Amino acid sequence: RKEVEQDPGPFNVPEGATVAFNCTYSNSASQSFFWYRQDCRKEPKLLMSVYSSGNEDGRFTAQLNRASQYISLLIRDSKLSDSATYLCVVNIDTGGFKTIFGAGTRLFVKA
Amino acid sequence: GAVVSQHPSRVICKSGTSVKIECRSLDFQATTMFWYRQFPKKSLMLMATSNEGSKATYEQGVEKDKFLINHASLTLSTLTVTSAHPEDSSFYICSASQTNSPLHFGNGTRLTVT
Repeated sequence: RKEVEQDPGPFNVPEGATVAFNCTYSNSASQSFFWYRQDCRKEPKLLMSVYSSGNEDGRFTAQLNRASQYISLLIRDSKLSDSATYLCVVNIDTGGFKTIFGAGTRLFVKA
Repeated sequence: GAVVSQHPSRVICKSGTSVKIECRSLDFQATTMFWYRQFPKKSLMLMATSNEGSKATYEQGVEKDKFLINHASLTLSTLTVTSAHPEDSSFYICSASQTNSPLHFGNGTRLTVT
């Protein structure tokens, strides 16, 4: 089983739709959690950190469920510019920190 | 602004030559940096973990003599692709972070070997 698993997609949604990405992690030593966005032929960029209390940044909401070892990202009112690959990222404390990436979920937002 | 700078952003080289890629952390000292490779439409693949002042830790299947990593200072790691072949053509990305903080990525290097 992979340490971080995401639905590979792709997700094809119309503009204005709400889309949810899910991610599960298997290592209970996971300490911190992030969502990154990667555009085609570009490096990943931090979208938001994920906290147990849940956090929101504009149209984006991230949630963490430690008991279920589950992370989510919700995008409301999708824009064409949201089209990208979304990566779930987990830092695991193995004595030193190790960062594990999910394979990413591709999103296409269409007019 | 960028906290990790990677250079060059694009390089074309002939088969058999070597290419050096630099990764610098600008705002902080990074005892650990990471090197990734990404093929088109594929996910990031961790190649190696670069440790300041010691040998890099390579992932399984990555040839350490092929991909030389040097982390001579707390702000600079280099990846040298030696005796490059066309199959080494890829997008190479470095990243760095402070402990348990988000990773910050360099802007990547697109290598084309002809």
